[in-house]
Amino acid sequence: GAGVSQSPSNKVTEKGKDVELRCDPISGHTALYWYRQSLGQGLEFLIYFQGNSAPDKSGLPSDRFSAERTGGSVSTLTIQRTQQEDSAVYLCASSRWGADTQYFGPGTRLTVL
Amino acid sequence: AQTVTQSQPEMSVQEAETVTLSCTYDTSENNYYLFWYKQPPSRQMILVIRQEAYKQQNATENRFSVNFQKAAKSFSLKISDSQLGDTAMYFCAFMKRMNRDDKIIFGKGTRLHILP
Repeated sequence: GAGVSQSPSNKVTEKGKDVELRCDPISGHTALYWYRQSLGQGLEFLIYFQGNSAPDKSGLPSDRFSAERTGGSVSTLTIQRTQQEDSAVYLCASSRWGADTQYFGPGTRLTVL
Repeated sequence: AQTVTQSQPEMSVQEAETVTLSCTYDTSENNYYLFWYKQPPSRQMILVIRQEAYKQQNATENRFSVNFQKAAKSFSLKISDSQLGDTAMYFCAFMKRMNRDDKIIFGKGTRLHILP
C-alpha cells in the first residue's frame, strides 16, 4: 500500500480482556515501531523491530504487552488482561531502516471500560 | 543519552501570522537527523520537515522553515502565513545517523492553535 495502515481504527474492550492491534508497514521498510499516546500527550516508545535483529522491547510497560512481526512485514501488538490505564492511541510507524524518516499509520484508539 | 526538549506546551496565534516553535536537544553526536512532525486532530502524524546535521543550510518546505543552530543545539520551526489547517500538535525529533538500528527520540510536543 501507499502508506502505513493500522486496524482496527477504534477498539472498545472490557477490563481483563485481551486485544490485538495490527500494523501493515510500507512495503520494503525494514524498521517498524510501536508507540503509545495518551490523551493530549507525547509519544511513548513501546517496541522496535529492525530487520532480522532481536526487537528492542525496552519500552513495553509490563509483561502484559507483547508484539511480533511476521515475515518482516505485518506486526501485531497484543495486550493481555487489559486495564483502564491501557486506554490510549497506539501508533505504528515504519522506515526504510532504523536511522531514517518514520512514516506513521493513523493509529488505533483503544478504550478499556 | 539523547534528549529533546520542547519548552512551549501550547501556543495560539492569529491566522496569517508567523509563529516559531522552539526545540532544543542534547547529544554528543556529530552526525544526526532532526525532524518536525505534525499531528492534527485527525491524529495522523505527518512529517513536516527534516534536517541533516551536516548541512548548514536550513531546510524549508513551502511555508515551513527551520532555524538550525548546531552549536546551540537548537532546531526551531517557523510557520509563515499560518493557516487554520496548521492547528495541530507539533513534535520535534532527533535521530543519530551513524547506526541504522538507532531509535528516534521525540519531544513532548507543542500544541498550536491557529485562531480565525
